[in-house]
Amino acid sequence: AQTVTQSQPEMSVQEAETVTLSCTYDTSENNYYLFWYKQPPSRQMILVIRQEAYKQQNATENRFSVNFQKAAKSFSLKISDSQLGDTAMYFCAFFSGNTPLVFGKGTRLSVIA
Amino acid sequence: DAGVIQSPRHEVTEMGQEVTLRCKPISGHDYLFWYRQTMMRGLELLIYFNNNVPIDDSGMPEDRFSAKMPNASFSTLKIQPSEPRDSAVYFCASSLGLFTDTQYFGPGTRLTVL
Repeated sequence: AQTVTQSQPEMSVQEAETVTLSCTYDTSENNYYLFWYKQPPSRQMILVIRQEAYKQQNATENRFSVNFQKAAKSFSLKISDSQLGDTAMYFCAFFSGNTPLVFGKGTRLSVIA
Repeated sequence: DAGVIQSPRHEVTEMGQEVTLRCKPISGHDYLFWYRQTMMRGLELLIYFNNNVPIDDSGMPEDRFSAKMPNASFSTLKIQPSEPRDSAVYFCASSLGLFTDTQYFGPGTRLTVL
C-alpha cells in the first residue's frame, strides 16, 4: 500500500524567511500525482501545489515551489518570503490510478513575526 | 459560487444517537468525497461518488457508517449508532475530475460524541 510520510510534526520560521517542508512516499507505481494542501486554523483545506510524476520540471506557484525527486520518492515544499498567513497545517498527499488519495499526517507551520 | 457547503459546522451528540452530516458540492462537479480527520489517524478518505454513484467505499470504517448522494447537489454521511471514537472533523470535497483536478473542500463538521 502507498504511504506518505511527513517527518516534521512542527516547524517554525521567521517572517520573510524561507522554509522547506519534507515529504516522502512509498509506491511501486510509475505514474502518479503529488499534492500539498494547506489547512489554516479555519480548517478549510486549500490546494497549494500539484506535481505530476511524469513531469521532470518542479511545479511552482508564486512563493510556493516543490523539489520533486522521483528516484528518492521525495516531494518537499519550499515556501519563500514566509508570511503570517502561511501559518497552517500542511499536508502532503499522493494519488495514483489504483489507490485513493493518501495523506501524510501533516506538518504544523508557524510563521513568527 | 459559494463553494462546498457543509452542515452543521458543529455537532455534539450522545453515544448511540444517529448523526447525519450534510454536504452541497460545487455545481458542475462530478466527484464528491467524504473525509475524516483525527489527530491519531490524520486525514482519511471514507468514500467518494462519481455522478451520484458510490465508487469506492473501502474507507468507510464499519457498517455504522453510510453515505448517500440522492442527486448532484446533495450528499449525506450518516452514523448510526454513533460512538465516542467517531469524534472527528468530517470534510466533504468536490472536484471536476478524479484527484488530478483540484479538490475543493468544505469547512468541515466537527463531531463530538459524548
